[in-house]
Amino acid sequence: AQRVTQPEKLLSVFKGAPVELKCNYSYSGSPELFWYVQYSRQRLQLLLRHISRESIKGFTADLNKGETSFHLKKPFAQEEDSAMYYCALIGGSQGNLIFGKGTKLSVKP
Amino acid sequence: NAGVTQTPKFQVLKTGQSMTLQCAQDMNHEYMSWYRQDPGMGLRLIHYSVGAGITDQGEVPNGYNVSRSTTEDFPLRLLSAAPSQTSVYFCASSQRLSTDTQYFGPGTRLTVL
Repeated sequence: AQRVTQPEKLLSVFKGAPVELKCNYSYSGSPELFWYVQYSRQRLQLLLRHISRESIKGFTADLNKGETSFHLKKPFAQEEDSAMYYCALIGGSQGNLIFGKGTKLSVKP
Repeated sequence: NAGVTQTPKFQVLKTGQSMTLQCAQDMNHEYMSWYRQDPGMGLRLIHYSVGAGITDQGEVPNGYNVSRSTTEDFPLRLLSAAPSQTSVYFCASSQRLSTDTQYFGPGTRLTVL
């Protein structure tokens, strides 16, 4: 079955520390993967997608097909990075977005 | 350009009541979808539409109906509300496919007593 696993419900780091939000997926074939972010009292928005290989707000994510992972990384966390992060892939019989359960990132001063 | 709008923002229902959650977008997007967000469950797809007149079920469609009479609007109907439908509901749209960037509405927080 196609699914996305985010093993950490909550990740707490101090400002300036490196951050890695884990995402593992189950998918046969070449997956299309995304990271979406939801800041407090704001709507969910796209952070980045693996096919564009871009860096947004200092975050990067590399697709590792061998480990079936798409971890989100940032070398130096900022307090404004505190948010809920969702990893997602295109899957299902109709090619819809399948979300992980999300990881809440808390960056402490 | 308002993007994706949802009404109401908050709603409290009694078990058995029916209601419609409204969703509209002004970006001429073909693909629209409804998700529910529950603590520890992430976002789960309820229904989606690939264009006017075309709808299909997602992962958790039971208890919900949708229709898509226009490109702009995609209402979600709760036929007979149950406490298990207490959740935050998000509507999303994208240009054509689910692979395109999804634009989300602000959400509707629904409580069923």
